[in-house]
Amino acid sequence: DAGVTQSPTHLIKTRGQQVTLRCSPKSGHDTVSWYQQALGQGPQFIFQYYEEEERQRGNFPDRFSGHQFPNYSSELNVNALLLGDSALYLCASRGSGNTIYFGEGSWLTVV
Amino acid sequence: QQQVKQSPQSLIVQKGGIPIINCAYENTAFDYFPWYQQFPGKGPALLIAIRPDVSEKKEGRFTISFNKSAKQFSLHIMDSQPGDSATYFCAASKGVLGTDKLIFGTGTRLQVFP
Repeated sequence: DAGVTQSPTHLIKTRGQQVTLRCSPKSGHDTVSWYQQALGQGPQFIFQYYEEEERQRGNFPDRFSGHQFPNYSSELNVNALLLGDSALYLCASRGSGNTIYFGEGSWLTVV
Repeated sequence: QQQVKQSPQSLIVQKGGIPIINCAYENTAFDYFPWYQQFPGKGPALLIAIRPDVSEKKEGRFTISFNKSAKQFSLHIMDSQPGDSATYFCAASKGVLGTDKLIFGTGTRLQVFP
């Protein structure tokens, strides 16, 4: 049973560029959330998707957007990258229970 | 009111010791309190979780103690091992079965020396 898978694992982007990160939830899970974890900090909630709709959003600017596909996989898009967007981006999935599983994350470095 | 305060920031114990990590919250609507373990370069992995109707939960060497009136909960690691060296995060969420977003503490870096 595959867990939460994310791609790419590492990437480097230039300030002002755009990035797309991808997530496949754990088998049987239909709710996907994205978190940003800066170095030395706890994860911060970005948004949550369920039934292809954004259900909740944290305190992140509109430069952060997402999408959920019919197969429950999800994308996180960040436009106009800033140096401060450098972080580990985590995808989390949840099924019918309340256990939330995280992927290994995508390390984004903005230079 | 949405914050979860975690302490200490770092902890050093010898093998066999019992490190204790504490968390406090303000929002009484929180109804799900998980603990995550994170190794360098990896995503957080769920260790153990508790609901507010239970005062203690044990899974293997990990125990959560929950004090609803004080709005505090803590993680105890029995017989700690060098392999337990990692960063530990407490978290809280609310909603039906804790379906809301997770609010994380700031993390505790644990080092267990042989």
